[in-house]
Amino acid sequence: GQQLNQSPQSMFIQEGEDVSMNCTSSSIFNTWLWYKQDPGEGPVLLIALYKAGELTSNGRLTAQFGITRKDSFLNISASIPSDVGIYFCAGQRQGGSEKLVFGKGTKLTVNP
Amino acid sequence: NAGVTQTPKFRILKIGQSMTLQCTQDMNHNYMYWYRQDPGMGLKLIYYSVGAGITDKGEVPNGYNVSRSTTEDFPLRLELAAPSQTSVYFCASSKDGWSKDGYTFGSGTRLTVV
Repeated sequence: GQQLNQSPQSMFIQEGEDVSMNCTSSSIFNTWLWYKQDPGEGPVLLIALYKAGELTSNGRLTAQFGITRKDSFLNISASIPSDVGIYFCAGQRQGGSEKLVFGKGTKLTVNP
Repeated sequence: NAGVTQTPKFRILKIGQSMTLQCTQDMNHNYMYWYRQDPGMGLKLIYYSVGAGITDKGEVPNGYNVSRSTTEDFPLRLELAAPSQTSVYFCASSKDGWSKDGYTFGSGTRLTVV
């Protein structure tokens, strides 16, 4: 099936550092979403992007919809221990019948 | 609003046993989904439903069955449990197919088949 290439697979950082992760695809997507999954919980939506080139922030999180519509980036500034979890990107090629396609996730560990 | 509620949270099954994973949502969402999550493999779609009485296969449907008799409930049935079905199962819902607000996920059922 359709795949999103998400990288890196895992990251080990110190508290206070900035984090960057990205998702790429060989296909064009009309919507990009970023989710966070806390340990033992289901994914929760962080940011949604709907237009190529769009840059959206949610607190210390900033995500961008790539201009080619084939990629998206998520940045976390000044990481804190509660940022620990798995971050998933998801894309949708068009509204209605197309279901979300998920990346395999980036596992983030923050050392205090 | 409870959102999407999954039960049970944990379950251990013996090979060949059957069970039903329950999922209910109180947001009046039309679309519901079942995913499985294996370590490092992301989320794989098992089955989905676009409304009561309508279900369709996802990427990995073998070994599972679903039904959607009401808008609120979307149970997932395992008939003959196998070790390969050891996984974390997530139910999700959305208002419709357009993902403006994304999918709302439950907190998962961790299933071990021994």
